[in-house]
Order: sequence, then structure tokens, then C-alpha cells
Amino acid sequence: AQSVSQHNHHVILSEAASLELGCNYSYGGTVNLFWYVQYPGQHLQLLLKYFSGDPLVKGIKGFEAEFIKSKFSFNLRKPSVQWSDTAEYFCAVSRVSNTGKLIFGQGTTLQVKP
Amino acid sequence: EPEVTQTPSHQVTQMGQEVILRCVPISNHLYFYWYRQILGQKVEFLVSFYNNEISEKSEIFDDQFSVERPDGSNFTLKIRSTKLEDSAMYFCASRGGAGNQPQHFGDGTRLSIL
Repeated sequence: AQSVSQHNHHVILSEAASLELGCNYSYGGTVNLFWYVQYPGQHLQLLLKYFSGDPLVKGIKGFEAEFIKSKFSFNLRKPSVQWSDTAEYFCAVSRVSNTGKLIFGQGTTLQVKP
Repeated sequence: EPEVTQTPSHQVTQMGQEVILRCVPISNHLYFYWYRQILGQKVEFLVSFYNNEISEKSEIFDDQFSVERPDGSNFTLKIRSTKLEDSAMYFCASRGGAGNQPQHFGDGTRLSIL
């Protein structure tokens, strides 16, 4: 069965530190990959997505992610975090040519200290 | 930017009662979804809906659950006889029909079963 694993459950960083959140998935076929963010009290918002093409994708608010097919990974990065990046981050995968259902990782809570 | 709206934001119900959670997807979207997130756990897929029928459902989505799009704008999730373990955050999502499109999520309904 498809699954998504996020390695870090809770990350604490100081402002200006660099961020990398790990995400691995298990599925041998073609997938679409997503990172969603949930700020406190708000809904899930799309940070970035990968469907095809350049494996390095750029999203909103300075985030980027790299799809490494051989490693089944889609890690999220940001060179310099801000206090406003404090949120929960979810990696999600859907199979291409499917109903589009998303399989989510368990989420990573990021706390940025000012 | 168009949004997915969900009502109510918080629903408290006695065990065994029926509950209906409501969603208004983005108007030109064709695919609709319900997900849930039990406190402290990952977001889980419940059901997808396309062309006025269920296209996929998870093991969670048993006979106690049903979905409906009664009037071309609302998309509802009904739980016939609620159980304590149905307490969770329920998210509605929708996406457009043209090629690869990401899902857009509502703010969620927090369902508390007493």
C-alpha cells in the first residue's frame, strides 16, 4: 500500500536558520508530490507541487523541494526561516491517473524562535 | 482567490446521533474529497467524488458514512450513527478537472462526539 513518511515530527529552529524536512514515499509508479502547510487555526495551503519536469520545484514564501526518484524522496527546503514559518508541514502523494486522492505523511511541526 | 468553505466550524453531537457536515467547493471544480484528522494523527483520505458518484473510498468510509452533492454547489458528508471514535477534524477539498491540479482545502469542521 502507498505510504508517506516524514522523518521529523517536531523541529525547532532559530530565525535565519536553514530548514530541510524529509519526506519519503513508497510507491513504484508515477506520482504527483505536494507539500502543504497549515498555519495555526488555518486550513491546509499548498506550498508547492511536483507533477513532471524539473525535479527542483519552487513554491511560495521561498520554499523549494527536490524530487529524487531513485530515493523516493521529496524533501522540503528553505535557506532562511522566519518566525512566521511556524506551522505544521505535510507531505502528500497521489498516484497519477487515479482519483487524485492524497496520501499524507504524519506532518512536521516547525517552531521558529525569534 | 476562490475558497472551499465548510460549515459548521465546530459540531458537538451525542453518540448515536446523525451529523451532516457541509462543504461548498470552488465553483468550477469537478473532483471533491473528504479527509479526516484524528487529534495527533495524520490526515486520512475518506472518499472522492466525481460525476455525481463515489470514485474511491477508504476502509474508514463504511456504511455509516455517505456523501451527496444535492444541488450542484454543496457537498455533504453524513455520518448516520456517530461513535466516539468519529471525533476528528474533517476537511473537504476540491480540485479542477483540467489535467494535473492540486486540491484546495477548506478550514475544516471539528466534530466532537460526546
